[in-house]
Amino acid sequence: AQSVTQLDSHVSVSEGTPVLLRCNYSSSYSPSLFWYVQHPNKGLQLLLKYTSAATLVKGINGFEAEFKKSETSFHLTKPSAHMSDAAEYFCVVILNAGNNRKLIWGLGTSLAVNP
Amino acid sequence: KAGVTQTPRYLIKTRGQQVTLSCSPISGHRSVSWYQQTPGQGLQFLFEYFSETQRNKGNFPGRFSGRQFSNSRSEMNVSTLELGDSALYLCASSVTSGGAYEQYFGPGTRLTVT
Repeated sequence: AQSVTQLDSHVSVSEGTPVLLRCNYSSSYSPSLFWYVQHPNKGLQLLLKYTSAATLVKGINGFEAEFKKSETSFHLTKPSAHMSDAAEYFCVVILNAGNNRKLIWGLGTSLAVNP
Repeated sequence: KAGVTQTPRYLIKTRGQQVTLSCSPISGHRSVSWYQQTPGQGLQFLFEYFSETQRNKGNFPGRFSGRQFSNSRSEMNVSTLELGDSALYLCASSVTSGGAYEQYFGPGTRLTVT
């Protein structure tokens, strides 16, 4: 069965320190992988996506993620956290089978950034 | 381009009532998906419409229904509301760009059932 696991439900970092949000997936197919961010009382915004091109993907706001097939991981990182990064982050796997596309969402990681 | 819009933003209903939520996708996007978001369950996929046809469906009871109009606007309806239906309902319009599927989300409709 296909699944997505966000290994931490809550991460807390200090401003200016690195951010690591972990995501593991299981899939029988070659997946497309996404990270979304949701700020309080806002909709979801696409941060970055992996679609079988470069394994290191750069997104908005200084975030990047690396697809590691051998580890079935797609961890999200940022070298230096900013207060505005405090939000909920979701890892998503998209399995394509023609029009029968299936999206599998992780349960989310809440990121707190301390001054 | 204007983003995905959802109306209303907030709703308060009582048990047993029904509710209709509306979503207008980004211009040119023909696919609209609906999600229910709750603190304990995360995002749960409701259904996806493409060119007025339901293309995919999640595991929700028949009380949850939707439709899409010829201008791609979509509505979802929940009948006989239950307390557990209280959630943020998100709509996403999607497009395939360069072979990659992307979803763009609206701000959501916060439904409270009392």
